[in-house]
Amino acid sequence: EDQVTQSPEALRLQEGESSSLNCSYTVSGLRGLFWYRQDPGKGPEFLFTLYSAGEEKEKERLKATLTKKESFLHITAPKPEDSATYLCAVQAVGNQGGKLIFGQGTELSVKP
Amino acid sequence: DAGVIQSPRHEVTEMGQEVTLRCKPISGHNSLFWYRQTMMRGLELLIYFNNNVPIDDSGMPEDRFSAKMPNASFSTLKIQPSEPRDSAVYFCASRTGWGSPLHFGNGTRLTVT
Repeated sequence: EDQVTQSPEALRLQEGESSSLNCSYTVSGLRGLFWYRQDPGKGPEFLFTLYSAGEEKEKERLKATLTKKESFLHITAPKPEDSATYLCAVQAVGNQGGKLIFGQGTELSVKP
Repeated sequence: DAGVIQSPRHEVTEMGQEVTLRCKPISGHNSLFWYRQTMMRGLELLIYFNNNVPIDDSGMPEDRFSAKMPNASFSTLKIQPSEPRDSAVYFCASRTGWGSPLHFGNGTRLTVT
């Protein structure tokens, strides 16, 4: 069964304190791995797609990397506005219609 | 682009009543997904459509839940009768095709008392 596990569940950082969020996945074959950011009262907002091991994507203070078993979302010198819940999702090769399976998310809090 | 539009934003109803949630996907997107989000279970896929055709409804909790997509620009999720355990945030999302990212609406917060 396809599965996605995110850790930690919650992370508190001081402004400027870099860290990483983890997304471990188990799928028969990976079609794509997606990172989303969700703010309270809003829908998830797309950040990155990664398709193959070794791939990296960057956007401002965020950098996503992918291996055959997990993905990391690295946050460099975070600011309070980076506070949000970060969600990881996978799409498996061949699954009917291409559904995305989400992890439980990591709630990030950045204090000034 | 207006993004995915959901209505209503909030719905409060009594147990036993019928609830209808609405979604307008992004124009040109050919896949539409309905998710439910709770603190305990996170984001759960309920059902999804490709080209207006339901592909997988195995996530629909019970026969009380039904979804339709009569055309490419509109979908509904109906709960009849509603129960307190249906209280959650319901999200609609759409995308252009296989492997492309989902774009979410801002959800409908449903409270069943």
